Parts: sequence; structure tokens; C-alpha cells
Amino acid sequence: GESVGLHLPTLSVQEGDNSIINCAYSNSASDYFIWYKQESGKGPQFIIDIRSNMDKRQGQRVTVLLNKTVKHLSLQIAATQPGDSAVYFCAERGSASGGSYIPTFGRGTSLIVHP
Amino acid sequence: GAGVSQSPRYKVTKRGQDVALRCDPISGHVSLYWYRQALGQGPEFLTYFNYEAQQDKSGLPNDRFSAERPEGSISTLTIQRTEQRDSAMYRCASSLEGEYNSPLHFGNGTRLTVT
Repeated sequence: GESVGLHLPTLSVQEGDNSIINCAYSNSASDYFIWYKQESGKGPQFIIDIRSNMDKRQGQRVTVLLNKTVKHLSLQIAATQPGDSAVYFCAERGSASGGSYIPTFGRGTSLIVHP
Repeated sequence: GAGVSQSPRYKVTKRGQDVALRCDPISGHVSLYWYRQALGQGPEFLTYFNYEAQQDKSGLPNDRFSAERPEGSISTLTIQRTEQRDSAMYRCASSLEGEYNSPLHFGNGTRLTVT
């Protein structure tokens, strides 16, 4: 199968721990942000998104935090499970008032969950 | 429901041949994107459509690459006179709304190998 974990920042955690994956975005005009999970051999899968008028959004076991001042995005995964092992990408997108409509992806972080 | 479907899953071709990669988006999705993804990297934008109109092709590497979406649904990415450097995973994604905040949904990609 395909491996997308080569030469990526890696986060190793124990099953049951909380995980925090960080992302620095580049364009201050970006106003929509998305986290994707990519398992080996598959395409990126949407996890959660957040608009720039929010600083926090929660989903099922996941929370995204947005700090526009320092252009930083984080994904928190509660009670991490082996099935969470994957590469995680953040993506940013602009709007009609600035930035680019094209979702632009960050480098990715490989999350490894040890049972 | 059915997700984004790409075909073929794998394509091996000889240098100099033309290839056509197909994407069938989620029914009703307005926007369709083509990305290319190298191992260990995030998806890199190639081109996108709203309905049948190609909105942006700034990511296409050169004029050997072209894409169409004639009826606003299925799209084809064509690479003429393939070269070894074209070898990559090509990913298609669709989203519900073109210029508003909706996440991209990716297919599993076509792995192109040029020998």
C-alpha cells in the first residue's frame, strides 16, 4: 500500500492519551480552515473545519483551535485510539475579500498510536 | 452515499504516451478539484472547476496537462507525451459549493507510473 508518512513530523502517543497536532498557516487573509486525516492507501478524509470568526470548534473526540494572531491552528484528539494513526493535514482557504479560493495544504504530521 | 470515484486506480504507461484520468464527483457537488500528491507531501493544487467552467488552472505544470468537465459532472485530466517526472498520485476532490465554505471530499486517487 501507499505510505504517506515518510519524512514527516511525527507524533507518537499511547492509546488513551490526548493528542495535539499543530499547524502554522501562511496567509493572513485565509478565513476557512480544514483538518484532514489520511490513512495509508486512501485519500484525505475530512475531519473538522472552522471559520475565521471562531476560535474553537468541537466535534466527536476532536477539537480545533484557531489563533489568528499568530496564524496557528491545532487539532486535539481526545482518548486517542489505534485507529487514529494516520497522517493529518491542515488546509487553509481564502475568500472573495482576499487570499485564494484554492484550499492549500500544509506539510502534514504523522500520528502513531501505540496500544 | 457514494463518494468521489477515480479510475483507473493504477496506471502504468510508457514515456511519450498520453493518459486520461477520470473523476466522478459526488452527485450534486458544484466544484471539482484536481490535485497531485507526492509521497510524504500534502496535495498540490492543479486545477478546479465550478460546474463545467474551469476556474483556475494555474497549478497545471505545463501545457502537456489539460482537464475538462464538459457536462459539469465527470472530469478528465489528460497528460500528453508523459514523462517520468509525471509519476505521482493524482487526486480528485469535489465540494458542494464553489465559493463558499464547504470541505473538499477526496477520492482514493490514481497512481500514475511512467516508465
